[in-house]
Amino acid sequence: DIQMTQSPSSLSASVGDRVTITCRASQGIRNDLGWYQQKPGKVPKRLIYAASTLQSGVPSRFSGSGSGTEFTLTISSLQPEDFATYYCLQHNSDPRTFGQGTKLEIK
Amino acid sequence: EVLLVESGGGLVKPGGSLRLSCAVSGFPFTNAWLSWVRQAPGKGLEWVGRIRSKGEGGATDYAAPVKDRFTISRDDSKNTIYLQMNSLKTEDTAVYYCSTELGWGGGDFWGQGTLVTVSS
Repeated sequence: DIQMTQSPSSLSASVGDRVTITCRASQGIRNDLGWYQQKPGKVPKRLIYAASTLQSGVPSRFSGSGSGTEFTLTISSLQPEDFATYYCLQHNSDPRTFGQGTKLEIK
Repeated sequence: EVLLVESGGGLVKPGGSLRLSCAVSGFPFTNAWLSWVRQAPGKGLEWVGRIRSKGEGGATDYAAPVKDRFTISRDDSKNTIYLQMNSLKTEDTAVYYCSTELGWGGGDFWGQGTLVTVSS
């Protein structure tokens, strides 16, 4: 199975900050990676697919990059509605595996 | 509008069974691969398994923790998929979501989830 390791597991930041979350795959997954945002009690929402393609309707302050084993999600200027938990997902092979999550909290 | 609506969750004793349903509307069900994903209380997301389209044999794939206990099926006449869960364990307690195939470039759609609690 491919293991997805996210860092950090939690992060405190302020509105307007630039934030980066990293996801590392235990083996190469090309660009078969997505990023999800989940707010408490809500359904996960995909932000990015194919490592760097912005899902329709997602604000342009979100961006993704990487290929192979290392990937990043960047939020260029945090907004109040961005405080949530973020997960990466590899869909290169079965079983599909998620990272353990990064909880982004208000400083 | 694409909608996925799960039903069938509830409280069940360890060793018991439960069947979840996911009714799909708003996109071509016949060609769709569909998945189940779960989330234990306060924990992360875990892929449970998927079913391919009938045109691709309706084959199923499962995560190791549920293989041989859970079965995914589909009824294309009802635009519905099912998750039959047998020999349930306390660690199967989670919100269960159905979704379109994870990683599908055509869109990413999830149901609202249904809670399964396995407890004596």
